[in-house]
Amino acid sequence: EAGVAQSPRYKIIEKRQSVAFWCNPISGHATLYWYQQILGQGPKLLIQFQNNGVVDDSQLPKDRFSAERLKGVDSTLKIQPAKLEDSAVYLCASRALGEVAAGELFFGEGSRLTVL
Amino acid sequence: AQKITQTQPGMFVQEKEAVTLDCTYDTSDQSYGLFWYKQPSSGEMIFLIYQGSYDEQNATEGRYSLNFQKARKSANLVISASQLGDSAMYFCAMREPYTGNQFYFGTGTSLTVIP
Repeated sequence: EAGVAQSPRYKIIEKRQSVAFWCNPISGHATLYWYQQILGQGPKLLIQFQNNGVVDDSQLPKDRFSAERLKGVDSTLKIQPAKLEDSAVYLCASRALGEVAAGELFFGEGSRLTVL
Repeated sequence: AQKITQTQPGMFVQEKEAVTLDCTYDTSDQSYGLFWYKQPSSGEMIFLIYQGSYDEQNATEGRYSLNFQKARKSANLVISASQLGDSAMYFCAMREPYTGNQFYFGTGTSLTVIP
């Protein structure tokens, strides 16, 4: 079974530039999460989708961050314009819908963003 | 209030010894799930073990066991017979079904296994 795919793995941009990250979840996983992980901290939820609807985006800085999951499969997270404090690893995770065994999150390898 | 608290920023353990990583959680729900993830320096998050709030037995997965004390709201991870490859960050997490299956993560514990 293919895992969660993310790209790019690494991105370096200047502040005020824009960047986009892409995530393709495990096939059949209805729920998709984007997390921001700043160095030395735990993952912080940015947005949670179920199919193509938003479940929670309360911690997404909507003045600069946007995310979409148009067809309920893959998702894009965009930052425009980037700030220095956006330097972090952006983790995408997916989960099967319903109470499936443990119902754990499956994570991608992450996209590491450096803002100069 | 923090949903997940991990009070040990860093831990050291001798190879082949056992180590306990602490985790306490805060929820008013009766149904929830507790998870531990390992994050090596390469960055990927690896699922280790799960404990459901209604599970009466402590979860075990190979060398990992979860010491679940519901009344104390603690879910400590025990790693037996530590190996050098166990050196990593460890995150405790909780899933709350009644908040749309949100997952809350702690700040992590950095474990170093000493040869």
